Amino acid sequence: ETGVTQSPTHLIKTRGQQVTLRCSSQSGHNTVSWYQQALGQGPQFIFQYYREEENGRGNFPPRFSGLQFPNYSSELNVNALELDDSALYLCASSLAGLLNEQFFGPGTRLTVL
Amino acid sequence: KNEVEQSPQNLTAQEGEFITINCSYSVGISALHWLQQHPGGGIVSLFMLSSGKKKHGRLIATINIQEKHSSLHITASHPRDSAVYICAAPPLYSGGGADGLTFGKGTHLIIQP
Repeated sequence: ETGVTQSPTHLIKTRGQQVTLRCSSQSGHNTVSWYQQALGQGPQFIFQYYREEENGRGNFPPRFSGLQFPNYSSELNVNALELDDSALYLCASSLAGLLNEQFFGPGTRLTVL
Repeated sequence: KNEVEQSPQNLTAQEGEFITINCSYSVGISALHWLQQHPGGGIVSLFMLSSGKKKHGRLIATINIQEKHSSLHITASHPRDSAVYICAAPPLYSGGGADGLTFGKGTHLIIQP
């Protein structure tokens, strides 16, 4: 158990819909990163939040957006879902940045039909 | 962008064997993460190291920053070690935020009884 939780565990949506995925970080962890992991692939960086501000973004379109809240929770929102968005979405929290141990949540499995 | 390569991609061994998984990267970094991912998705941080060697139980990780290479070793392997092992590199510049971790594709390890 890493102390990082994600909800929901599984989700099925259809093309064009919108989805919100949630992550609850360990208390005191002011950095959260979100990753997309397609089947059989390594995770790909979506974005990172530090103290409620986005401070880094990977090669993902603007329809992927996020929020981080003062209570160490965060959200990943995806608009206009596409079939290729089907993946495992992981969040990882840390005390400060990527040069500290990363604590991963169990992930949300999103299926887009 | 850092290219992170792992070898082998798949490894099947007998219980008790000594296991070595290799990771190399193209751009210099200050530290490297080793992660373990079990079926179902959850990722656990095993090590973060910036030099030399770290040991935790039967797991040993080594890194040579100058040669851009790291290895993960498992001594006296056991079927419960069966998982995907992933190395991940943070960006080189301080703070390590903007580009997130770059992951290798993972090594799928199966330990047979």
